[in-house]
Amino acid sequence: RKEVEQDPGPFNVPEGATVAFNCTYSNSASQSFFWYRQDCRKEPKLLMSVYSSGNEDGRFTAQLNRASQYISLLIRDSKLSDSATYLCSSYGGSQGNLIFGKGTKLSVKP
Amino acid sequence: EADIYQTPRYLVIGTGKKITLECSQTMGHDKMYWYQQDPGMELHLIHYSYGVNSTEKGDLSSESTVSRIRTEHFPLTLESARPSHTSQYLCASSALGGPGELFFGEGSRLTVL
Repeated sequence: RKEVEQDPGPFNVPEGATVAFNCTYSNSASQSFFWYRQDCRKEPKLLMSVYSSGNEDGRFTAQLNRASQYISLLIRDSKLSDSATYLCSSYGGSQGNLIFGKGTKLSVKP
Repeated sequence: EADIYQTPRYLVIGTGKKITLECSQTMGHDKMYWYQQDPGMELHLIHYSYGVNSTEKGDLSSESTVSRIRTEHFPLTLESARPSHTSQYLCASSALGGPGELFFGEGSRLTVL
């Protein structure tokens, strides 16, 4: 089982829609989780950190479910500019470094 | 904006050549990383460093080598490039005492012919 797993999508949604991504992690000891956004052929950039039960920043909400070992990202009122790949990450592995999922591709259409 | 820089951004080179990808950060971060990412695929950690004179291999085996002589500089070297090395290489850094955010450079896209 991969340490961090995501549905690769693509998620094709109309502008204004609400969309949610889930990400499962296998390391039950992991304490810190991050959602990164990566545009095509660009570097990942931090979107949100999730250290406890959840975090909210404007239209974006991240939640952590430790019992089921997953984190989610909710995007409300989707904009065209939200189109990107969203990478889930958590600390784990044999060396305790940040492990990334494959990413979930979101495409917001007019 | 993160202060971490990679050069070259794009490199097309022939098989057998030696290449060095440069990475520098001005944030004073102790931890630095090299990730490899193929198009549409996940990031794979190939090297990391806790600080000066510290280098460790990551989760993905790589024929590349790294050095950390200065805090701000973490170059990656391929002694003899092959087509299988064609990929995007992303450098990142973070403050020691994490776990915390990784800051990424813009990447070096390597094509070996």
